Amino acid sequence: GAGVSQSPSNKVTEKGKDVELRCDPISGHTALYWYRQSLGQGLEFLIYFQGNSAPDKSGLPSDRFSAERTGGSVSTLTIQRTQQEDSAVYLCASSFGGVSQPQHFGDGTRLSIL
Amino acid sequence: AQKITQTQPGMFVQEKEAVTLDCTYDTSDQSYGLFWYKQPSSGEMIFLIYQGSYDEQNATEGRYSLNFQKARKSANLVISASQLGDSAMYFCAMREGQNFGNEKLTFGTGTRLTIIP
Repeated sequence: GAGVSQSPSNKVTEKGKDVELRCDPISGHTALYWYRQSLGQGLEFLIYFQGNSAPDKSGLPSDRFSAERTGGSVSTLTIQRTQQEDSAVYLCASSFGGVSQPQHFGDGTRLSIL
Repeated sequence: AQKITQTQPGMFVQEKEAVTLDCTYDTSDQSYGLFWYKQPSSGEMIFLIYQGSYDEQNATEGRYSLNFQKARKSANLVISASQLGDSAMYFCAMREGQNFGNEKLTFGTGTRLTIIP
């Protein structure tokens, strides 16, 4: 499709396991963003990529969280040693970059930590 | 201090009426952008409208318009002739600055709009 694609759509895992979430941005979009949405914290910014570099990682909540982007396209968000507070919907967005460009979101990955 | 404040947790509006969703923001930057997104119960975030801080005209996109009052730091979303399909959560968001790397959006807590037939 033409939109931002995220996989898996749902992920249930046990506390302490590592998880990988994938985002495939809209073709031609150079900027890619990760956010998470939870009942307690609302929508929070995690990290932003321009091309393959990450000018802003300020939202990553701990060193258990990391992300990479390869080939200026697909991005993977990795959470190591998951905790129950990591349960949330992880949203990926992409844009052409620049001050007025809207970010277009995928449907998210709902992550549940047991 | 909250950067984006949406004071209406929930609103109920009769179908075909106009509705205004409030958003106030706090920033010391002169250059910033304001965005509104819609999130239906299915979960996807849908971009609605954008207003730049230097834009002199209020933004409009179909039935959506943005009532931008810079001195009051408010950016209210107006939906004209509401429809049942407008029932959703609505989020106001801000991007501050225009330097490379300043692209994160800060979101408000949202307003849940319910359109009554």
